[in-house]
Amino acid sequence: NAGVTQTPKFQVLKTGQSMTLQCAQDMNHNSMYWYRQDPGMGLRLIYYSASEGTTDKGEVPNGYNVSRLNKREFSLRLESAAPSQTSVYFCASKRGWRGQSRQPQHFGDGTRLSIL
Amino acid sequence: AQTVTQSQPEMSVQEAETVTLSCTYDTSENNYYLFWYKQPPSRQMILVIRQEAYKQQNATENRFSVNFQKAAKSFSLKISDSQLGDTAMYFCAFLGTSYDKVIFGPGTSLSVIP
Repeated sequence: NAGVTQTPKFQVLKTGQSMTLQCAQDMNHNSMYWYRQDPGMGLRLIYYSASEGTTDKGEVPNGYNVSRLNKREFSLRLESAAPSQTSVYFCASKRGWRGQSRQPQHFGDGTRLSIL
Repeated sequence: AQTVTQSQPEMSVQEAETVTLSCTYDTSENNYYLFWYKQPPSRQMILVIRQEAYKQQNATENRFSVNFQKAAKSFSLKISDSQLGDTAMYFCAFLGTSYDKVIFGPGTSLSVIP
């Protein structure tokens, strides 16, 4: 009964390095999300994917890219990490939207990323 | 664009008492959904309660209830008989029906004092 699985849980990078955060869900959900959480700012949406094969920008997409590899997996890539991207990153999934919009999101346990 | 505001960064309440957390939002949509999530120190995000905008009746879940004022775009969370385990960050979240984006407020840190 895994739900949403994020890897890794912790990572330290140097400025300019690249990194891919992985997210997988086993609930057959259509929609997947990436958020970053910073003190005093709550969860800010980076990118989301309403269905397999589609991705859309959220509130803070700059410096990130995403790939919806298949229905289960949604990865977040930092091409050239910057100290401002130090944060806790959460992946979430939801059954769908339109007629199923009211279904809540399920969250992973987060990835704590530090960029020196 | 939708925005969610939580004007109380920190709150505290005595154990067994009642506390109300505020949330306001801005949207031009008529149909939407609102959620309160709890994030304890373990960092897990736990759904507390949800409200559908087309339902006039306020949602309740055991000790948790909401006061949904659609015209005022207000969605407050009331916690009755506060328990030590209620100590957490609480996030208000908005989900519209035009796009599948879920937008969160900045959060309120609640401390329950023994």
